[in-house]
Amino acid sequence: GENVEQHPSTLSVQEGDSAVIKCTYSDSASNYFPWYKQELGKRPQLIIDIRSNVGEKKDQRIAVTLNKTAKHFSLHITETQPEDSAVYFCAASQENRDDKIIFGKGTRLHILP
Amino acid sequence: DTEVTQTPKHLVMGMTNKKSLKCEQHMGHRAMYWYKQKAKKPPELMFVYSYEKLSINESVPSRFSPECPNSSLLNLHLHALQPEDSALYLCASSQGTGVSYEQYFGPGTRLTVT
Repeated sequence: GENVEQHPSTLSVQEGDSAVIKCTYSDSASNYFPWYKQELGKRPQLIIDIRSNVGEKKDQRIAVTLNKTAKHFSLHITETQPEDSAVYFCAASQENRDDKIIFGKGTRLHILP
Repeated sequence: DTEVTQTPKHLVMGMTNKKSLKCEQHMGHRAMYWYKQKAKKPPELMFVYSYEKLSINESVPSRFSPECPNSSLLNLHLHALQPEDSALYLCASSQGTGVSYEQYFGPGTRLTVT
């Protein structure tokens, strides 16, 4: 089955700097990669996703890149703000195959003032 | 209404108790999910209901029993739980089946088993 590795487990960046979170997946058949943000004590929320037919997707300060050959994908947050502090989960799945999303273990992002 | 609601928010139960968690959505979503989340861990899928039928059971112990009375409601019946079952239980729903439909999570029920 699919296995998703996520690094780092904890990341601290100065407000205004960029943050990068990296994930690798094992199943080359995976073709859909969502990212979830979970603030302390709150529910996970989808922030961005990417399908395997594109290499990059951007939404304001957030971007995700995908390298299918290397089986890794990354989340990039630019101009970080205090409200970006949260746990971020990457995930991988096979679109149209089943309803299962395999999550990475999460990255706790701290934005330092 | 664009929200998934869950009740109760917190639940403390003994190992011999029977209790139920409830989840509701009025977005017309056809897939509903139960996840278990331990502290500092990602959500773990437990069950998936697709069009009110159980489509995935991730080998969850029988002390957890899901029920989908209608397309808007999802229950999780709990019986004879163990202390290690203490966790945040998240419900989610999505417009259709298939992982590329965004899953909307509820706020969760924080369960403590004593």
